[in-house]
Amino acid sequence: NAGVMQNPRHLVRRRGQEARLRCSPMKGHSHVYWYRQLPEEGLKFMVYLQKENIIDESGMPKERFSAEFPKEGPSILRIQQVVRGDSAAYFCASSPDRQDNQPQHFGDGTRLSIL
Amino acid sequence: AQSVTQLDSHVSVSEGTPVLLRCNYSSSYSPSLFWYVQHPNKGLQLLLKYTSAATLVKGINGFEAEFKKSETSFHLTKPSAHMSDAAEYFCVVSDRAAGNKLTFGGGTRVLVKP
Repeated sequence: NAGVMQNPRHLVRRRGQEARLRCSPMKGHSHVYWYRQLPEEGLKFMVYLQKENIIDESGMPKERFSAEFPKEGPSILRIQQVVRGDSAAYFCASSPDRQDNQPQHFGDGTRLSIL
Repeated sequence: AQSVTQLDSHVSVSEGTPVLLRCNYSSSYSPSLFWYVQHPNKGLQLLLKYTSAATLVKGINGFEAEFKKSETSFHLTKPSAHMSDAAEYFCVVSDRAAGNKLTFGGGTRVLVKP
């Protein structure tokens, strides 16, 4: 019974390149959340998606960041023209529905390093 | 708006002694509260959750937490620390007014001395 799967585990990019982070939720989960963890900080909410819909993107930077969760396949967090400040750990979480007593299950994260 | 304050950024305990991690929250609605643990270079593992049932919540690995509405607190305890408990712990709040997105405290890093 696989948990939340994120890949790659580590990603290195040069400034100006694009980064694509993938997340496959747990089986049966249709709600996906992305969080960012900067060094020595807690996690900060970025975006909440259901299949083919962005429900809440209030935590997403206004430029260069986008997310999708297509009908088929994993959720993708895309960062265009990366800068040094994008270096962080990005975590995906999933839950079976929107009830607030359902805990979110987290993947092991993608650690993004910008050279 | 919801927020979480973890009162200690670092806690150091000796193996076999009690652990107390303090957490205060602010929420505009009846909150759900969680504690997660993060080991180095790993994701977050759920320790326990409070969802308006019993105020004393038991979790995995001997941890428990008590919800005190009058104090807006949700402190995490364990009677006897083990070396494997060395990790970072996050207190987390979620409520319907915030669309179920999680708000994290800043984390408490636990060091366990032999």
